[in-house]
Amino acid sequence: AQSVSQHNHHVILSEAASLELGCNYSYGGTVNLFWYVQYPGQHLQLLLKYFSGDPLVKGIKGFEAEFIKSKFSFNLRKPSVQWSDTAEYFCAVITNNQGGKLIFGQGTELSVKP
Amino acid sequence: DARVTQTPRHKVTEMGQEVTMRCQPILGHNTVFWYRQTMMQGLELLAYFRNRAPLDDSGMPKDRFSAEMPDATLATLKIQPSEPRDSAVYFCASGLDRLNTEAFFGQGTRLTVV
Repeated sequence: AQSVSQHNHHVILSEAASLELGCNYSYGGTVNLFWYVQYPGQHLQLLLKYFSGDPLVKGIKGFEAEFIKSKFSFNLRKPSVQWSDTAEYFCAVITNNQGGKLIFGQGTELSVKP
Repeated sequence: DARVTQTPRHKVTEMGQEVTMRCQPILGHNTVFWYRQTMMQGLELLAYFRNRAPLDDSGMPKDRFSAEMPDATLATLKIQPSEPRDSAVYFCASGLDRLNTEAFFGQGTRLTVV
């Protein structure tokens, strides 16, 4: 069965530091990839998505992610984080062999110190 | 402003009671997901519907949980009898039945079983 792994459970950064959160998935076919963000006490919101085309995708709030097919990875990046980026970040995948089932990684909690 | 609506937002109940959580997907969406979020397990997929038919409920404890879609505008998740270990936030998400699309999440139901 497909799975999604997020390497970091909790990341603590100071404001203006650069961010990279790792995500790997375990399926070799066609995938759609997502990063969702969950601010404290709120629901999940889409940050960015990759369906096809340019493997470098840009999302909201200055986030971007790069799809590297050979590494089965979809890492999330931001050059300079802000205190307001404190949240939990989830990587997710839909594959073409699972009937559209959306599977999430365990999540990475990001704490940004002012 | 289309959104997924979940009710109730909060529920406190005693062990052994029946709990029903409701979800109204975005109009026109034909896929519905139920997730449970806990600190220990992260986001677990409980059930997944397409065109009101259950496609996958392998993540759901069958002895006490049940999920249904009585019509296209309502999805329900029931727990009977509830147990303290069911305490979690339950999220519903809806989307379209195609690969290149994302899921939209509701605000969640925070369930506490005492």
